[in-house]
Amino acid sequence: QKEVEQNSGPLSVPEGAIASLNCTYSDRGSQSFFWYRQYSGKSPELIMFIYSNGDKEDGRFTAQLNKASQYVSLLIRDSQPSDSATYLCAVNPGNQFYFGTGTSLTVIP
Amino acid sequence: DTEVTQTPKHLVMGMTNKKSLKCEQHMGHRAMYWYKQKAKKPPELMFVYSYEKLSINESVPSRFSPECPNSSLLNLHLHALQPEDSALYLCASSPIAGETQYFGPGTRLLVL
Repeated sequence: QKEVEQNSGPLSVPEGAIASLNCTYSDRGSQSFFWYRQYSGKSPELIMFIYSNGDKEDGRFTAQLNKASQYVSLLIRDSQPSDSATYLCAVNPGNQFYFGTGTSLTVIP
Repeated sequence: DTEVTQTPKHLVMGMTNKKSLKCEQHMGHRAMYWYKQKAKKPPELMFVYSYEKLSINESVPSRFSPECPNSSLLNLHLHALQPEDSALYLCASSPIAGETQYFGPGTRLLVL
């Protein structure tokens, strides 16, 4: 069983819409959850991290965590073409990260 | 300064060459990581250094040899690589192992 699972997509949304990216994880001991954005040919860039159940908002981004369901999501409001990238979910059950396979997002102008 | 730097940006090497990748951070982080990433795949952990000591080696072939000379610097020595080792090599650091990781820009390696 994979540690972290994401829908690989591709996910396409029109400009201005809300993009919803989902991630499930298997280790109930996981304490920290991270979302990274990776443009083609570039390195991962941290968007947000979340430790507690509930929502955490930062600008157009909202991370949602539900530890009971072992589920973490990222919502991108007012999606822009510049948001087109691969989004990686990462989970930390200990001293290392486990990355999901990433979801490819395309925002259509 | 929240930057992790990596040199070189690009590297082409033959299978008999010896080369090194360099990573540097000045954020006072005590954990540093090497990842390998192939196209359309997530980063794959290779090594973790915690307080300058190797704490995790994910069964990486011995042709990859990491070194952490001090708390700011991480090297990856390459020797007798195979074409399948061609990939983007990413360095990351975090305050301590397991905390938020910050990635460098990567070195794109091509082995001929």
